[in-house]
Amino acid sequence: GQQLNQSPQSMFIQEGEDVSMNCTSSSIFNTWLWYKQDPGEGPVLLIALYKAGELTSNGRLTAQFGITRKDSFLNISASIPSDVGIYFCAGSGAGSYQLTFGKGTKLSVIP
Amino acid sequence: EAGVAQSPRYKIIEKRQSVAFWCNPISGHATLYWYQQILGQGPKLLIQFQNNGVVDDSQLPKDRFSAERLKGVDSTLKIQPAKLEDSAVYLCASSLDPGGRQYFGPGTRLTVT
Repeated sequence: GQQLNQSPQSMFIQEGEDVSMNCTSSSIFNTWLWYKQDPGEGPVLLIALYKAGELTSNGRLTAQFGITRKDSFLNISASIPSDVGIYFCAGSGAGSYQLTFGKGTKLSVIP
Repeated sequence: EAGVAQSPRYKIIEKRQSVAFWCNPISGHATLYWYQQILGQGPKLLIQFQNNGVVDDSQLPKDRFSAERLKGVDSTLKIQPAKLEDSAVYLCASSLDPGGRQYFGPGTRLTVT
């Protein structure tokens, strides 16, 4: 089946710093999604990408759909304490809407 | 607009016991999903419903897990009998249609001792 490698596993950063995380896939994806999960809650969609090369922003968040269609990255600029949580990439391939999730990147922001 | 509701939020059972989880999707959402999220992992799809029919249950351990959505609205997921490795958060999600944005509920945290 499809596998997603998400890195880094965890990050500790100072408030105000920029953050970058990425996902790579063993196969081509048609859709890349980025979610954030807070403790005790379900994942919440941050950004959805549907075309190779697409660059999309949502406030301080920016994500890109890699040209090879096998990778995606998420950047967070000027981090703030409420950015703390686990960020997941997810994707779906040709002919399927089933989502495959990465293992997550746990972000900690030091005030 | 109310979100996806799940109950219970927490459940502790002994191995070999049975357990059931309930999900109420967002009103009007035809597609409903059950995911299993083991600690330190991303969610893994167990089963997907379109209205009251099963679209994909390829990753559902059918010897012990079952799910139904009889009237095309609420859904229940059952585990019988539970094993230690079933300890996880069980997430329900819904979307307007199969390719639509998925909205997740808060999950049920199951601990099997």
